Amino acid sequence: EAGVVQSPRYKIIEKKQPVAFWCNPISGHNTLYWYLQNLGQGPELLIRYENEEAVDDSQLPKDRFSAERLKGVDSTLKIQPAELGDSAVYLCASSLHTGPQYEQYFGPGTRLTVT
Amino acid sequence: SQQGEEDPQALSIQEGENATMNCSYKTSINNLQWYRQNSGRGLVHLILIRSNEREKHSGRLRVTLDTSKKSSSLLITASRAADTASYFCATGQGAQKLVFGQGTRLTINP
Repeated sequence: EAGVVQSPRYKIIEKKQPVAFWCNPISGHNTLYWYLQNLGQGPELLIRYENEEAVDDSQLPKDRFSAERLKGVDSTLKIQPAELGDSAVYLCASSLHTGPQYEQYFGPGTRLTVT
Repeated sequence: SQQGEEDPQALSIQEGENATMNCSYKTSINNLQWYRQNSGRGLVHLILIRSNEREKHSGRLRVTLDTSKKSSSLLITASRAADTASYFCATGQGAQKLVFGQGTRLTINP
């Protein structure tokens, strides 16, 4: 069974440029998560989708970040414009259903460097 | 904001020794999960313990939960080089949310 797929794995951009990350969750998983992970820290939730609906985006900086999950499968996370402080690893995860009792399956992440 | 605090932040032991990591949290939880992250990779789920459980085993892993002290511990017995990773506790809050701690970086020396 294929795991969570993310691309690209690495991205280097200059500040003020846009960037987009893509995630393909495990087939059949209703819930998709985007996390931000700074160096030496644990993941912090940016947004959670149940199917195609964003049900928790309270931590998403909406002035520059946007996300979508068309048809309730793949998802993209966009930053426009990027700032130096956005340098981090962006992790995508999925779970069969919503709820902290469900195991989350993580992708390898996209390491973003903003120069 | 992060809920859990792992202790120690970093741990270095010899191969074959046991490793113990602790996690403390602040609010009531439904369950607590432990995840492992190898360098440059995503997180992998290790074990889940529910709030009404006190101890759980999985292979060389033993997890305890003390809800009165709001703390959990992860014990890895007979450590191996492949156990070198960061370990995170994640607390299940309310009906929806899983909140991760800052992690313990474990190094197993040959």
